[in-house]
Amino acid sequence: EIVLTQSPATLSLSPGERATLSCRASQSVLSYLAWYQQKPGQAPRLLIYDASNRATGIPARFSGSGSGTDFTLTISSLEPEDFAVYYCQQRSNWPPTFGQGTRLEIK
Amino acid sequence: EVQLVESGGGLEQPGGSMRLSCEAFGFSFSSSVMSWARQAPGKGLEWVSAISDSGGSTYYGDSVKGRFTISRDNSKNTLYLQMNSLRAEDTAVYYCAKTRYNYGPFDYWGQGTLVTVSS
Repeated sequence: EIVLTQSPATLSLSPGERATLSCRASQSVLSYLAWYQQKPGQAPRLLIYDASNRATGIPARFSGSGSGTDFTLTISSLEPEDFAVYYCQQRSNWPPTFGQGTRLEIK
Repeated sequence: EVQLVESGGGLEQPGGSMRLSCEAFGFSFSSSVMSWARQAPGKGLEWVSAISDSGGSTYYGDSVKGRFTISRDNSKNTLYLQMNSLRAEDTAVYYCAKTRYNYGPFDYWGQGTLVTVSS
């Protein structure tokens, strides 16, 4: 199974700053990588699919990049509602797998 | 508006059975791949199972294969997960999700239902 490793585990930033989250795959997943946001007590929400495509209703400050084994989620200017846990997920190989998550917290 | 409403969770003893349901609203259920994922308390996300739009193809993670069965009733816009031989490690919030392709992405999620396996 493909292992996805997210870094850092925790990222402490202030509103207005730029956030860069990383996801590395143990083997190539082509561009079949998605990003999700999860807030406490809520279900995950799809942000980005196929590495760089924003899901419906997702603000333009969220962007994704990468291919193969290295991927990045960038939030250009943090809003208070962006502080949450972020997961990456690959659909290239069975079984679909998730990273362990990056917690984005307010500094 | 897409809405997924899970039900059926609760407390069950090890070795017991439970059936989860997920009713779908606001999209063409019969044309959509559907999945179950779970999240143990304080832990990350784990994909559990998926089913094709017709129900003719099903997929399972190794941790549940042979114990869980995914199914759907397109006439009722409802997805099911039959869970047998439950173990303590199956304790989690279970989410149903509308799935764009066989293995993701999961573009809409239900609110989740908590399954607790304990004696």
